[in-house]
Amino acid sequence: EDKVVQSPLSLVVHEGDTVTLNCSYEVTNFRSLLWYKQEKKAPTFLFMLTSSGIEKKSGRLSSILDKKELSSILNITATQTGDSAIYLCASNSGTYKYIFGTGTRLKVLA
Amino acid sequence: EADIYQTPRYLVIGTGKKITLECSQTMGHDKMYWYQQDPGMELHLIHYSYGVNSTEKGDLSSESTVSRIRTEHFPLTLESARPSHTSQYLCASSEYKGQAVHSGANVLTFGAGSRLTVL
Repeated sequence: EDKVVQSPLSLVVHEGDTVTLNCSYEVTNFRSLLWYKQEKKAPTFLFMLTSSGIEKKSGRLSSILDKKELSSILNITATQTGDSAIYLCASNSGTYKYIFGTGTRLKVLA
Repeated sequence: EADIYQTPRYLVIGTGKKITLECSQTMGHDKMYWYQQDPGMELHLIHYSYGVNSTEKGDLSSESTVSRIRTEHFPLTLESARPSHTSQYLCASSEYKGQAVHSGANVLTFGAGSRLTVL
């Protein structure tokens, strides 16, 4: 059965800290891995990763995929209170097939 | 700025009522989806559509039904709501284009969600 596992489930840090969120996947016909940020509204798209070893970067956020280890990490440097959210990881393995993890709940304290 | 809209955002109703959750997107996406999300749990696909007049059930069994009469509109209906239907319902769309995995066409765009409480 396809599955995506995220760790840690929750994390509390202070502003300025760097965090690393993990996502591992076991899916057939893997095509891409996606990261989303979910606050009290729509999950918003962060990154889509298809190639191993190529880092994607947007401001203080970056992500990389390791196809050999079937995993991905999301890094956030110099965290801010506005980074507090649930971070979702999902694998795409076909036209409609997206498998989501349970998410990592990040709380950044001022 | 969201291009996919869900209404209502919050709904509290009594058992046995019929409800329709609305979802509309202005991006011209072919594919639309309904996910159910409970606190601390994964998003589970309950319905999806490849295009007009095409609807399929997802991986999670659901007593809801959907329709796709227009490209931009994908409403979800519960004929008789029960407390077990209490959940957050997320609508999404994508513009999947065959093998164009690298084009970003597989990215799901989500609506803000409809939080349903059935008493």
